[in-house]
Amino acid sequence: ILNVEQSPQSLHVQEGDSTNFTCSFPSSNFYALHWYRWETAKSPEALFVMTLNGDEKKKGRISATLNTKEGYSYLYIKGSQPEDSATYLCAFSGYGGSQGNLIFGKGTKLSVKP
Amino acid sequence: DSGVTQTPKHLITATGQRVTLRCSPRSGDLSVYWYQQSLDQGLQFLIQYYNGEERAKGNILERFSAQQFPDLHSELNLSSLELGDSALYFCASSVVVAGGSDTQYFGPGTRLTVL
Repeated sequence: ILNVEQSPQSLHVQEGDSTNFTCSFPSSNFYALHWYRWETAKSPEALFVMTLNGDEKKKGRISATLNTKEGYSYLYIKGSQPEDSATYLCAFSGYGGSQGNLIFGKGTKLSVKP
Repeated sequence: DSGVTQTPKHLITATGQRVTLRCSPRSGDLSVYWYQQSLDQGLQFLIQYYNGEERAKGNILERFSAQQFPDLHSELNLSSLELGDSALYFCASSVVVAGGSDTQYFGPGTRLTVL
């Protein structure tokens, strides 16, 4: 059974703090790694899709790195703002007949206090 | 707004009943995916359709079925409902069938409550 683990489960930071979370996934048959941001009462919103080992992606104050050999990705938020409060999900896609399937982690819930 | 629409937003029904959830993908997207989010569980993949044909199946119960119509909208049918089927059901869409690296755009979800 393929498992995607995210840590920590939740995180409380002060406005202005920088933070990072981890996503661990199977290193074999890797195809892509997705990051989503999910605000309460809204739908998950795509942040990044990463496919190559060593990939780094950036969107404003949010960036992500990928290590496919060891099976992990980091998401960084620089200078957290209250509007960054959300659950951050990662999802793994592997090679095979069902590579469109995304296997999601349970997410890291970030709360940013003003 | 992702461009993916789902109806209804909320659904309350009784055990043993049958319901249909509807999803319209973003304009131009051919693939539709259904996910279930239960309490304390991550998003669980149920099923994928591409241009009207089933492409992949995940942890979908036999009591559940789906289809994608010629206009590309999709319906998820849930029958003989049980209390444990209460969950948030999301539909997502993407452009092509090689969805592993395609961004999936999620709809607002349908919250199903089975009493």
